[in-house]
Amino acid sequence: EVQLVESGGALVQPGGSLRLSCAASGFTLSTYWMTWVRQTPGKGLEWVANTKQDGSATYYVDSVKGRFTISRDNAKNSLYLQMNSLRAEDTAVYYCVRGSNGNNVGYFDSWGQGTLVTVSS
Amino acid sequence: DIQMTQSPSTLSAFVGDRVTITCRASQSISRYLAWFQQRPGKAPKLLIYKTSTLESGVPSRFSGSGSGTEFTLTISSLQPDDFATYYCQQYYSYPLTFGGGTKVEI
Repeated sequence: EVQLVESGGALVQPGGSLRLSCAASGFTLSTYWMTWVRQTPGKGLEWVANTKQDGSATYYVDSVKGRFTISRDNAKNSLYLQMNSLRAEDTAVYYCVRGSNGNNVGYFDSWGQGTLVTVSS
Repeated sequence: DIQMTQSPSTLSAFVGDRVTITCRASQSISRYLAWFQQRPGKAPKLLIYKTSTLESGVPSRFSGSGSGTEFTLTISSLQPDDFATYYCQQYYSYPLTFGGGTKVEI
């Protein structure tokens, strides 16, 4: 059974940093694109970032470029999201999501339970 | 960016009703469209991908159709478990984008 378990969400002040982690099990992480998606009450679901199977390619939504970094450690079955220069508008539940095992990210077939990030003073 | 517009935003229905949700893309996305169901407090769940392919384990009362810029999700006979929020999402080009959601309520 595919399992994705996020951790690292917290209350952080504006301008602060946070690192989210996602522990993957039940499949071979190194063969799948992986993604972070966030959800806020006001803006619904928003794709944040993708990483290719070997980490050689990454993509970001414009609003987080230069502030967030997606990375992975396939040997540790883990996905990460380093978030710097956090803003109030980054407040959301962050989901770790599995993409395809092909050449493109494809559709999202498995989601973690989410971790809450709150940016507030 | 490709904008995804869902309608209606809220839908009131009864058990047994046939329900249709529409998703429009601001430009052609071929058939690279997925539908998700989200119940309160839970993560989204994949229902349909590539416009019309049912994810394993999803009941056959769910179906999807369309191509290009207009897509629909149909629930042939609404069940109590189906009262939830539904989202479409395009994976044709970056940035990947979601529709605003359709809440199906009693």
